Parts: sequence; C-alpha cells; structure tokens
Amino acid sequence: DAKTTQPPSMDCAEGRAANLPCNHSTISGNEYVYWYRQIHSQGPQYIIHGLKNNETNEMASLIITEDRKSSTLILPHATLRDTAVYYCIVRALNDYKLSFGAGTTVTVRA
Amino acid sequence: AAGVIQSPRHLIKEKRETATLKCYPIPRHDTVYWYQQGPGQDPQFLISFYEKMQSDKGSIPDRFSAQQFSDYHSELNMSSLELGDSALYFCASSLVGGRETQYFGPGTRLLVL
Repeated sequence: DAKTTQPPSMDCAEGRAANLPCNHSTISGNEYVYWYRQIHSQGPQYIIHGLKNNETNEMASLIITEDRKSSTLILPHATLRDTAVYYCIVRALNDYKLSFGAGTTVTVRA
Repeated sequence: AAGVIQSPRHLIKEKRETATLKCYPIPRHDTVYWYQQGPGQDPQFLISFYEKMQSDKGSIPDRFSAQQFSDYHSELNMSSLELGDSALYFCASSLVGGRETQYFGPGTRLLVL
C-alpha cells in the first residue's frame, strides 16, 4: 500500500520555481520524508529529507505542513537538467529500505 | 567526493546463465542495499546488509543471493537467469546501519537474451 501520493507529471518553465507536492496522510511520528530524483535511468539521486521542520540545502527546499500530512519540494530556479522523475518517500529510521512509489515526472521547458 | 561504484555497468547473459554484480560502497559506509528496476518501473528493494549481516529482505527471488564482505563491498549473485531479470540493478550505501541517507550508484544494466 502506497504511503505517498504524488501527481504523475508536471511541467515547469526554465528559471522558474518548481513546487512538487506530496501527500503522506498516514505518516507516523518516527517517519521522515525523503526526496530523491532519477534522471533518465541514472541512479536515484538524494535531494533532501526532513522530519517536521522545513529544510533547505543547495539543491532544494522542503516544506512540511504542521500536521505532517503533506509536503512540498521546491526547486528554486529550475533548469533543463532538473528534468527527472521525483520520488517522495516516507521512511522510518529503523527501516532499511526505501519504498519507491509512482513519482512525479517533471519536465522543465525552455 | 567518492561515490558508490558498481561493476560491470552493462552485462549481457543468456537464459539459465549466472551473473554476478559487484558494489563498492562509499568509503566508511557500512550498509549496502540492492534495488531492481524493470523497464518502465520504479526501483524495488531487494536486500540489504549491515556489517556483513543481512539486515532486511524484499522481493528477492530465491535464485538470487547476496553477501557483504569484510571490506564492505557487496556482490549480488543471480542464477538460472530468466528474461524477466532484465533490468537495472542499483546498489546504494549508507552509514550507521541504515539510519543515515542512502546514496546510489550508477547501476548495472543486465540484459538476458
């Protein structure tokens, strides 16, 4: 059973911010929200993760709602190289595996 | 920074043959994970090892086995290959027995003819 729900696809204009939503309404208190992306059959690339506070790194920002039932990944200035499948994954620290669901195919257009 | 190394990158085998995939984790990482991604599918977890012991197991066929060695590298052995085993196989590694972020290698593309 899927723990996360993401839109199947979205387009974004180059240079604009891309906001990727994710619903995880059954998330438990000890589960983190992870974001990975996969660019055309390459190995999944780690982007960011968080528990309940908003997080930012050099790649993206992660906004988690106060009730933790949803989150948004923000790519501040999308480039053509950001075209990829983006996966939102809920994972507990004592859970070794990452369970990839159906992610969002993001296409950045010039 | 050093990344996860996988070899070979591409492999072609015949049905019923055997294949061995290798994974060299990021230095100091003690946990390795194997994932399989079939054509048009999302990655699926196969198995993981922490400090040379199996730590978790997913939908890995009985024809597949894996182990982690003393230098932390891991090998995935696949026997009696079937056409449906054609897929990308990714290895990932992390620190501290899975509590930390997993970083993925570039993958091995296996084609079974």
